[in-house]
Amino acid sequence: DSGVTQTPKHLITATGQRVTLRCSPRSGDLSVYWYQQSLDQGLQFLIQYYNGEERAKGNILERFSAQQFPDLHSELNLSSLELGDSALYFCASSPLGPLANEQFFGPGTRLTVL
Amino acid sequence: GIQVEQSPPDLILQEGANSTLRCNFSDSVNNLQWFHQNPWGQLINLFYIPSGTKQNGRLSATTVATERYSLLYISSSQTTDSGVYFCAVSPYSSASKIIFGSGTRLSIRP
Repeated sequence: DSGVTQTPKHLITATGQRVTLRCSPRSGDLSVYWYQQSLDQGLQFLIQYYNGEERAKGNILERFSAQQFPDLHSELNLSSLELGDSALYFCASSPLGPLANEQFFGPGTRLTVL
Repeated sequence: GIQVEQSPPDLILQEGANSTLRCNFSDSVNNLQWFHQNPWGQLINLFYIPSGTKQNGRLSATTVATERYSLLYISSSQTTDSGVYFCAVSPYSSASKIIFGSGTRLSIRP
């Protein structure tokens, strides 16, 4: 158990809908990262937050957004869902500063868009 | 951007065999991690190894940052070692980002 929690574990929804994925980092970790793992794209970095502020962006679509709250948990919002958004979404947290260092991954949320 | 290449893409071994997985990267990095993704999808930290050598039981890893590669050694393989092994790097040019390789799929036969 990495100490990073993600909810829900599974999510099934329809095209055009909006969903919210939640992540709680390890105790004391200020950085939260979001990743998407799909069969054709592999593991892709989406976005990083550090202590409530957006720190880095990767291949995140405009339909997706994220935020980190004062208690350091983070939410990833996916809207206008398409079939291709079906994937495993991971959250990771890391200690120390805002630059990337050792990351600890949550169990993931498996999203299926029908 | 930085390219991360892992080899081999697939590896099938008998239980008890040893293996070496390789990760090459095209630019200088300020950190490197190895992960094991088990058949249930969980990503497990193996090593945080921006340089040097580390060992943990039957697993060890070596990163030669100046030559831009890292190796993961698995000795006396067990069926529970099956899964996909990823390396992930953070380039100096974009130190907040993590780039994953495409992975090595390891299957250990009993």
